[in-house]
Amino acid sequence: AQSVTQLGSHVSVSEGALVLLRCNYSSSVPPYLFWYVQYPNQGLQLLLKYTSAATLVKGINGFEAEFKKSETSFHLTKPSAHMSDAAEYFCAVTVRSGTYKYIFGTGTRLKVLA
Amino acid sequence: KAGVTQTPRYLIKTRGQQVTLSCSPISGHRSVSWYQQTPGQGLQFLFEYFSETQRNKGNFPGRFSGRQFSNSRSEMNVSTLELGDSALYLCASSLDGRSSGNTIYFGEGSWLTVV
Repeated sequence: AQSVTQLGSHVSVSEGALVLLRCNYSSSVPPYLFWYVQYPNQGLQLLLKYTSAATLVKGINGFEAEFKKSETSFHLTKPSAHMSDAAEYFCAVTVRSGTYKYIFGTGTRLKVLA
Repeated sequence: KAGVTQTPRYLIKTRGQQVTLSCSPISGHRSVSWYQQTPGQGLQFLFEYFSETQRNKGNFPGRFSGRQFSNSRSEMNVSTLELGDSALYLCASSLDGRSSGNTIYFGEGSWLTVV
C-alpha cells in the first residue's frame, strides 16, 4: 500500500534562507506525488505535482521539488524563504492503477523568522 | 471561475446530534471527495463520489455517510455525533477522478465542534 512520510512536523527558517521540507513515499507502482499548502483557516492549495514528465517539478510561489526514485523522496525546496511562506505543507501520493485515493502525509508546519 | 464552496463554514453541535455539510464543486468537476482533518490524525480520506455513486471509501464508521446529486453537489452526514468528530471537514473536487494524476481542488472547509 502506498504511503508518505514527512520528516519534521515543525520547521523554522530565517527569512531569506533555504526552505527544505522532506517527503518520502512508499509505493509498489509508479506514483503521482503532490505538495499542497494550507494557510491558516483555509483549505489546501496545490503547490506542484509530479506525473513522471520531469523529475524536477516547479510550482507556484518559487517552490520546486525533485523526484528521486532511488531515494523514494520528493522533497520540497525554495531558495529564499519569505514571511508569507509560513503555513502547513502536505505531501500526498496516489498510484497509477486502480481507483484513485489521495494519501496525505501528516504535514510540516513552516515558521519563518524575521 | 468559482472554486469549491463549502457550507457552513463553522458550526457547533451537541453530542448525539447529527450534522449535514454541503459542498459545491468547481463547475464541470464531477468527482467530489471528503476528508477529515484533525491535529492528531492529519488528513483522513472519508469517501469519494462520482456521478452520484460512491466510488471509494476510507476507514470511518457507518455514522459517516455522503451522497452526490445530479449536479455534482455533494453532502456528507454524520449521525450520533461524538466529541472526537470535532474536526475540519474538507471537500475536494476534480474533473473526473479517473486518473490518479488528477489534481484535486479543495474548499475552505467546514469547522465542526462537538460539545
